[in-house]
Amino acid sequence: AQSVTQLDSHVSVSEGTPVLLRCNYSSSYSPSLFWYVQHPNKGLQLLLKYTSAATLVKGINGFEAEFKKSETSFHLTKPSAHMSDAAEYFCVVSDRQAGTALIFGKGTTLSVSS
Amino acid sequence: DAGVTQSPTHLIKTRGQQVTLRCSPKSGHDTVSWYQQALGQGPQFIFQYYEEEERQRGNFPDRFSGHQFPNYSSELNVNALLLGDSALYLCASSPDRGRRNEKLFFGSGTQLSVL
Repeated sequence: AQSVTQLDSHVSVSEGTPVLLRCNYSSSYSPSLFWYVQHPNKGLQLLLKYTSAATLVKGINGFEAEFKKSETSFHLTKPSAHMSDAAEYFCVVSDRQAGTALIFGKGTTLSVSS
Repeated sequence: DAGVTQSPTHLIKTRGQQVTLRCSPKSGHDTVSWYQQALGQGPQFIFQYYEEEERQRGNFPDRFSGHQFPNYSSELNVNALLLGDSALYLCASSPDRGRRNEKLFFGSGTQLSVL
């Protein structure tokens, strides 16, 4: 069965410093991988997706993620954090077995201090 | 474009009651999925509707049921509410019969509290 493990429940950074949110996945098939962001009282927003094209994926707001099959990882990075990046981030997997369902990790809370 | 709209935004029920949550998909979308997000957890897939039929279902009991109307809007019904049903319920819509997950748009959710 598919699964996602987000290795940190909470990450704190200072504004202007790099962000790294870690994600490992499990899938028996060629997976599609996503990162979603959830701001308070707002819907989930897609940051970026990997669907078997380039392994380095660029998303919105300066975020990017690299698919590493050998490590079964899909870590999210951003060179310089902004206060507005503070939110909950979810790593998500889907594959042929999951069908149309998205399998979410438990989330990582990103805090950004000035 | 109003995006995905859900109603109500908040709801309080007592154990054993029944509840109906509503979702209007984004314009041009024909497929609706429902997710349950418990406090401190990631969303969990409940089921998906296309052409007014349940196409796929997650690991949820029969107390959870749904419906899709000809205008693509959808309802989620939960019977015999349990305390553990307290959660944020998210609706997501997508076009193209739901074949492309990257086209999924989420609503802001309905916060259900069961007392």
